[in-house]
Amino acid sequence: QQPVQSPQAVILREGEDAVINCSSSKALYSVHWYRQKHGEAPVFLMILLKGGEQKGHEKISASFNEKKQQSSLYLTASQLSYSGTYFCGTSPEYGQNFVFGPGTRLSVLP
Amino acid sequence: DADVTQTPRNRITKTGKRIMLECSQTKGHDRMYWYRQDPGLGLRLIYYSFDVKDINKGEISDGYSVSRQAQAKFSLSLESAIPNQTALYFCATSDPGVKPFSTDTQYFGPGTRLTVL
Repeated sequence: QQPVQSPQAVILREGEDAVINCSSSKALYSVHWYRQKHGEAPVFLMILLKGGEQKGHEKISASFNEKKQQSSLYLTASQLSYSGTYFCGTSPEYGQNFVFGPGTRLSVLP
Repeated sequence: DADVTQTPRNRITKTGKRIMLECSQTKGHDRMYWYRQDPGLGLRLIYYSFDVKDINKGEISDGYSVSRQAQAKFSLSLESAIPNQTALYFCATSDPGVKPFSTDTQYFGPGTRLTVL
């Protein structure tokens, strides 16, 4: 079952912060985050495994609350290069195929 | 050289034609996937293969078929193309890693833009 992402779209100015949420109706083993720039392939950002860990990638970090079956992606001090569509992918068990959310379009303006 | 390649990169065809999209990878991964992307609908899984002898349908397999010729090659066919199959198609590979340190990070090819007239 496809996870739900919110918001669907967000527009920021450079330097502002954003949060993108991903939630599932099923228990989760892992959550992946990918970013896709227009006309390009999705690129992996990070993976979070159940255990409530938080990870970071430059000024982008994420958290995973397995009890609430949700993950959040935090983008701080946004840069123009952060523009793109962000997808979460969720898997209920180790080794099982995961399902991508519909995406959140992020636009960072000068 | 790219780890995951797709051919062709762009294709325009007519309704009713048979089309094959090809994917090759040099990452040595057993798992390969075909996705379709339409605006606003994200990435939807067509077929996936966890090894050469294991092929599974995804959520939107109707009208498509696949062939896993080798660990490195996974082809997607449209037996009789129709206009609503116009989309961007991505191939991806992954390695599940060792439990509990699962990764299964997906590495995508550059995509094939298919237009069916």
